[in-house]
Amino acid sequence: ETGVTQTPRHLVMGMTNKKSLKCEQHLGHNAMYWYKQSAKKPLELMFVYNFKEQTENNSVPSRFSPECPNSSHLFLHLHTLQPEDSALYLCASSQDDGGAEETQYFGPGTRLLVL
Amino acid sequence: AQTVTQSQPEMSVQEAETVTLSCTYDTSENNYYLFWYKQPPSRQMILVIRQEAYKQQNATENRFSVNFQKAAKSFSLKISDSQLGDTAMYFCAFMEAAGNKLTFGGGTRVLVKP
Repeated sequence: ETGVTQTPRHLVMGMTNKKSLKCEQHLGHNAMYWYKQSAKKPLELMFVYNFKEQTENNSVPSRFSPECPNSSHLFLHLHTLQPEDSALYLCASSQDDGGAEETQYFGPGTRLLVL
Repeated sequence: AQTVTQSQPEMSVQEAETVTLSCTYDTSENNYYLFWYKQPPSRQMILVIRQEAYKQQNATENRFSVNFQKAAKSFSLKISDSQLGDTAMYFCAFMEAAGNKLTFGGGTRVLVKP
């Protein structure tokens, strides 16, 4: 596997379910990100992790709970979601070492439908 | 806060022709990065091209080039010799040089017609 992978690619869940999204990067990067992509809205940054530490929470509701056990893995735990949370959830990673090559690389996303 | 605006929701172009996508941004920063990402129907977001604000020379990657006008805060993308595989959503994005947060525009859907 190369690049950034995400599982599952598609997920349907009820409002009372608990599920988790997984992201893994094989690029040796230090930073990982969760984005939400809804229809008719720009991509929204949700969370940022640097060296496993959360450095950004963009006012995300607590029903979204991120976890970063190491620099290669990032999870998004979901519970009691609302239908308006249905979206494409994208994971990204970057080197984030202050160098010139500061580019984020994205995974294929998880398409989430909340019923 | 930075904002990124893509004023063209959708554009179509004939195969082998050229199309230009517009992007404007608002920032008080002097040093930053600008990006164009492509998202084909398969959904994988792919970096097309990037530009450092301190570089006056416009970035070029094969058939993709940008027109970076710092004073006007404009960052347009030109796709030359359009190919069917260029059909996708194109997103313009901004990042402060000292940070790692990307701010995206609303996207432009490009359809390349045979």
